[in-house]
Amino acid sequence: AQTVTQSQPEMSVQEAETVTLSCTYDTSESDYYLFWYKQPPSRQMILVIRQEAYKQQNATENRFSVNFQKAAKSFSLKISDSQLGDAAMYFCAYRSGGGSQGNLIFGKGTKLSVKP
Amino acid sequence: ETGVTQTPRHLVMGMTNKKSLKCEQHLGHNAMYWYKQSAKKPLELMFVYSLEERVENNSVPSRFSPECPNSSHLFLHLHTLQPEDSALYLCASSQERENTEAFFGQGTRLTVV
Repeated sequence: AQTVTQSQPEMSVQEAETVTLSCTYDTSESDYYLFWYKQPPSRQMILVIRQEAYKQQNATENRFSVNFQKAAKSFSLKISDSQLGDAAMYFCAYRSGGGSQGNLIFGKGTKLSVKP
Repeated sequence: ETGVTQTPRHLVMGMTNKKSLKCEQHLGHNAMYWYKQSAKKPLELMFVYSLEERVENNSVPSRFSPECPNSSHLFLHLHTLQPEDSALYLCASSQERENTEAFFGQGTRLTVV
Protein backbone atom coordinates (compact mmCIF):
# COMPACT_ATOMS: atom_id res chain seq x y z
CA ALA A 1 0.00 0.00 0.00
CA GLN A 2 1.10 3.54 -0.67
CA THR A 3 1.95 5.88 2.19
CA VAL A 4 2.71 9.58 2.46
CA THR A 5 4.82 11.01 5.28
CA GLN A 6 5.16 14.62 6.33
CA SER A 7 7.75 14.81 9.09
CA GLN A 8 7.22 18.46 10.04
CA PRO A 9 4.03 18.98 12.07
CA GLU A 10 4.68 22.73 12.21
CA MET A 11 6.86 25.23 10.39
CA SER A 12 7.33 28.96 10.68
CA VAL A 13 8.65 31.50 8.18
CA GLN A 14 9.22 35.22 8.16
CA GLU A 15 7.19 37.20 5.67
CA ALA A 16 9.05 37.57 2.33
CA GLU A 17 11.39 34.69 3.19
CA THR A 18 11.52 31.20 1.70
CA VAL A 19 10.39 28.00 3.37
CA THR A 20 10.53 24.35 2.32
CA LEU A 21 8.03 21.73 3.43
CA SER A 22 9.08 18.09 3.29
CA CYS A 23 7.19 15.07 2.02
CA THR A 24 8.25 11.50 1.37
CA TYR A 25 6.15 8.70 -0.02
CA ASP A 26 6.33 5.00 -0.53
CA THR A 27 5.03 3.18 -3.57
CA SER A 28 5.88 0.35 -5.89
CA GLU A 29 3.98 1.93 -8.76
CA SER A 30 5.66 3.70 -11.66
CA ASP A 31 2.67 5.76 -12.77
CA TYR A 32 1.40 8.21 -10.19
CA TYR A 33 0.79 11.85 -9.37
CA LEU A 34 1.84 13.95 -6.40
CA PHE A 35 0.09 17.02 -5.06
CA TRP A 36 0.39 19.74 -2.49
CA TYR A 37 -2.90 21.01 -1.08
CA LYS A 38 -3.41 24.03 1.14
CA GLN A 39 -6.13 24.11 3.79
CA PRO A 40 -6.68 27.60 5.26
CA PRO A 41 -8.94 28.24 8.25
CA SER A 42 -11.89 28.23 5.85
CA ARG A 43 -11.22 24.46 5.70
CA GLN A 44 -11.49 24.14 1.93
CA MET A 45 -8.68 22.10 0.42
CA ILE A 46 -7.09 24.08 -2.39
CA LEU A 47 -4.69 22.58 -4.89
CA VAL A 48 -1.34 24.36 -4.83
CA ILE A 49 0.70 22.33 -7.27
CA ARG A 50 0.83 18.92 -8.93
CA GLN A 51 3.59 16.74 -10.36
CA GLU A 52 3.31 13.85 -12.76
CA ALA A 53 5.79 11.11 -11.89
CA TYR A 54 6.78 10.62 -15.52
CA LYS A 55 7.93 14.23 -15.81
CA GLN A 56 11.49 14.91 -14.76
CA GLN A 57 11.03 18.67 -14.69
CA ASN A 58 9.96 20.06 -11.35
CA ALA A 59 6.55 21.74 -11.36
CA THR A 60 6.36 25.47 -10.69
CA GLU A 61 3.35 27.64 -9.98
CA ASN A 62 4.24 31.28 -9.36
CA ARG A 63 5.87 31.41 -5.89
CA PHE A 64 5.42 27.70 -5.35
CA SER A 65 7.80 25.06 -6.68
CA VAL A 66 8.58 21.47 -5.92
CA ASN A 67 11.75 19.42 -5.67
CA PHE A 68 10.74 16.03 -6.99
CA GLN A 69 13.32 13.32 -6.35
CA LYS A 70 11.77 10.18 -7.78
CA ALA A 71 14.51 7.75 -6.77
CA ALA A 72 14.47 9.06 -3.22
CA LYS A 73 10.66 9.23 -3.23
CA SER A 74 10.80 12.77 -2.01
CA PHE A 75 8.48 15.64 -2.96
CA SER A 76 9.20 18.88 -1.13
CA LEU A 77 7.37 22.20 -1.57
CA LYS A 78 9.23 25.48 -1.66
CA ILE A 79 7.34 28.70 -1.02
CA SER A 80 9.24 31.82 -2.04
CA ASP A 81 8.51 35.36 -0.90
CA SER A 82 6.14 34.07 1.76
CA GLN A 83 2.99 36.07 2.35
CA LEU A 84 0.66 36.26 5.33
CA GLY A 85 -2.01 34.57 3.25
CA ASP A 86 0.20 31.51 2.90
CA ALA A 87 -0.44 30.61 6.53
CA ALA A 88 -2.39 27.34 6.46
CA MET A 89 -2.14 23.57 6.77
CA TYR A 90 -0.30 22.04 3.85
CA PHE A 91 -0.95 18.48 2.81
CA CYS A 92 1.10 16.30 0.52
CA ALA A 93 -0.97 13.77 -1.43
CA TYR A 94 -0.44 10.80 -3.74
CA ARG A 95 -2.67 9.38 -6.44
CA SER A 96 -2.17 6.26 -8.49
CA GLY A 97 -2.00 6.80 -12.22
CA GLY A 98 -4.95 4.56 -12.89
CA GLY A 99 -7.03 5.74 -9.97
CA SER A 100 -9.89 8.20 -9.74
CA GLN A 101 -8.82 11.85 -9.59
CA GLY A 102 -10.23 12.17 -6.11
CA ASN A 103 -8.78 8.93 -4.75
CA LEU A 104 -5.94 10.56 -2.85
CA ILE A 105 -3.66 9.38 -0.08
CA PHE A 106 -2.72 12.24 2.21
CA GLY A 107 0.04 12.91 4.69
CA LYS A 108 -0.76 14.25 8.16
CA GLY A 109 -0.03 17.80 7.14
CA THR A 110 2.29 20.63 8.11
CA LYS A 111 0.98 23.75 9.79
CA LEU A 112 2.72 26.79 8.33
CA SER A 113 2.82 30.05 10.24
CA VAL A 114 3.96 33.28 8.59
CA LYS A 115 5.38 35.98 10.83
CA PRO A 116 4.96 39.63 9.80
CA GLU B 1 -20.38 30.46 -5.06
CA THR B 2 -17.81 27.71 -4.62
CA GLY B 3 -17.74 24.78 -7.02
CA VAL B 4 -18.46 22.26 -4.25
CA THR B 5 -20.91 23.25 -1.54
CA GLN B 6 -21.46 21.35 1.69
CA THR B 7 -24.25 21.79 4.19
CA PRO B 8 -24.48 22.18 7.06
CA ARG B 9 -21.14 23.76 7.96
CA HIS B 10 -21.47 22.60 11.56
CA LEU B 11 -23.52 19.81 13.10
CA VAL B 12 -23.89 18.61 16.66
CA MET B 13 -25.78 15.38 17.13
CA GLY B 14 -26.46 12.86 19.84
CA MET B 15 -25.51 9.23 19.50
CA THR B 16 -29.12 8.19 18.92
CA ASN B 17 -29.88 10.84 16.29
CA LYS B 18 -30.18 10.44 12.56
CA LYS B 19 -28.81 13.22 10.38
CA SER B 20 -27.58 13.73 6.84
CA LEU B 21 -24.72 15.68 5.31
CA LYS B 22 -25.25 17.16 1.87
CA CYS B 23 -22.79 17.93 -0.88
CA GLU B 24 -23.56 19.63 -4.18
CA GLN B 25 -21.15 20.28 -7.01
CA HIS B 26 -21.66 22.86 -9.74
CA LEU B 27 -18.72 21.84 -11.90
CA GLY B 28 -20.32 19.26 -14.16
CA HIS B 29 -18.15 16.52 -12.69
CA ASN B 30 -19.08 12.85 -12.83
CA ALA B 31 -17.36 11.54 -9.68
CA MET B 32 -17.83 12.47 -6.03
CA TYR B 33 -16.09 11.48 -2.81
CA TRP B 34 -16.46 11.59 0.96
CA TYR B 35 -13.39 12.07 3.13
CA LYS B 36 -13.04 12.08 6.90
CA GLN B 37 -10.52 14.43 8.51
CA SER B 38 -9.80 13.69 12.17
CA ALA B 39 -7.40 15.55 14.39
CA LYS B 40 -3.80 14.28 14.17
CA LYS B 41 -4.69 11.82 11.41
CA PRO B 42 -4.39 11.96 7.62
CA LEU B 43 -7.52 12.47 5.57
CA GLU B 44 -9.23 9.15 5.01
CA LEU B 45 -11.17 8.35 1.86
CA MET B 46 -14.54 6.90 2.83
CA PHE B 47 -16.58 6.52 -0.35
CA VAL B 48 -16.16 7.02 -4.09
CA TYR B 49 -19.01 7.44 -6.52
CA SER B 50 -18.34 7.43 -10.23
CA LEU B 51 -21.21 8.01 -12.64
CA GLU B 52 -23.54 7.72 -9.64
CA GLU B 53 -22.39 4.22 -8.77
CA ARG B 54 -20.41 3.45 -5.66
CA VAL B 55 -17.05 2.12 -6.76
CA GLU B 56 -15.19 2.14 -3.49
CA ASN B 57 -16.05 1.71 0.15
CA ASN B 58 -13.00 1.76 2.37
CA SER B 59 -14.22 -0.43 5.22
CA VAL B 60 -16.45 2.28 6.59
CA PRO B 61 -18.85 1.26 9.41
CA SER B 62 -22.45 0.78 8.37
CA ARG B 63 -23.55 3.67 10.57
CA PHE B 64 -22.34 5.82 7.65
CA SER B 65 -24.56 5.38 4.59
CA PRO B 66 -23.83 7.30 1.38
CA GLU B 67 -26.32 8.18 -1.31
CA CYS B 68 -25.70 9.63 -4.75
CA PRO B 69 -29.04 10.36 -6.45
CA ASN B 70 -27.43 12.14 -9.41
CA SER B 71 -24.02 13.33 -10.53
CA SER B 72 -24.41 16.69 -8.78
CA HIS B 73 -25.50 15.57 -5.33
CA LEU B 74 -23.99 13.37 -2.67
CA PHE B 75 -25.33 12.64 0.79
CA LEU B 76 -23.89 10.97 3.85
CA HIS B 77 -26.58 9.59 6.13
CA LEU B 78 -25.56 9.23 9.75
CA HIS B 79 -27.17 7.12 12.47
CA THR B 80 -26.13 5.87 15.90
CA LEU B 81 -22.74 7.50 15.67
CA GLN B 82 -20.02 7.32 18.29
CA PRO B 83 -18.03 10.21 19.81
CA GLU B 84 -14.95 9.05 17.86
CA ASP B 85 -16.87 9.84 14.67
CA SER B 86 -16.52 13.53 15.47
CA ALA B 87 -14.46 14.99 12.64
CA LEU B 88 -14.48 17.24 9.60
CA TYR B 89 -16.22 15.54 6.69
CA LEU B 90 -15.05 16.76 3.31
CA CYS B 91 -16.73 16.22 -0.01
CA ALA B 92 -14.85 16.36 -3.31
CA SER B 93 -15.68 15.99 -6.98
CA SER B 94 -13.72 15.33 -10.14
CA GLN B 95 -14.14 14.59 -13.83
CA GLU B 96 -13.10 11.04 -14.50
CA ARG B 97 -10.89 10.14 -17.44
CA GLU B 98 -9.64 13.69 -17.71
CA ASN B 99 -6.30 14.80 -16.39
CA THR B 100 -7.65 17.27 -13.86
CA GLU B 101 -7.62 17.52 -10.12
CA ALA B 102 -10.33 16.99 -7.55
CA PHE B 103 -12.11 19.98 -6.04
CA PHE B 104 -13.08 20.02 -2.40
CA GLY B 105 -15.86 21.62 -0.42
CA GLN B 106 -15.41 23.44 2.88
CA GLY B 107 -16.52 20.49 4.93
CA THR B 108 -19.03 19.80 7.68
CA ARG B 109 -17.66 19.93 11.22
CA LEU B 110 -19.47 17.10 13.01
CA THR B 111 -19.54 16.73 16.77
CA VAL B 112 -21.13 13.65 18.31
CA VAL B 113 -22.15 14.06 21.93
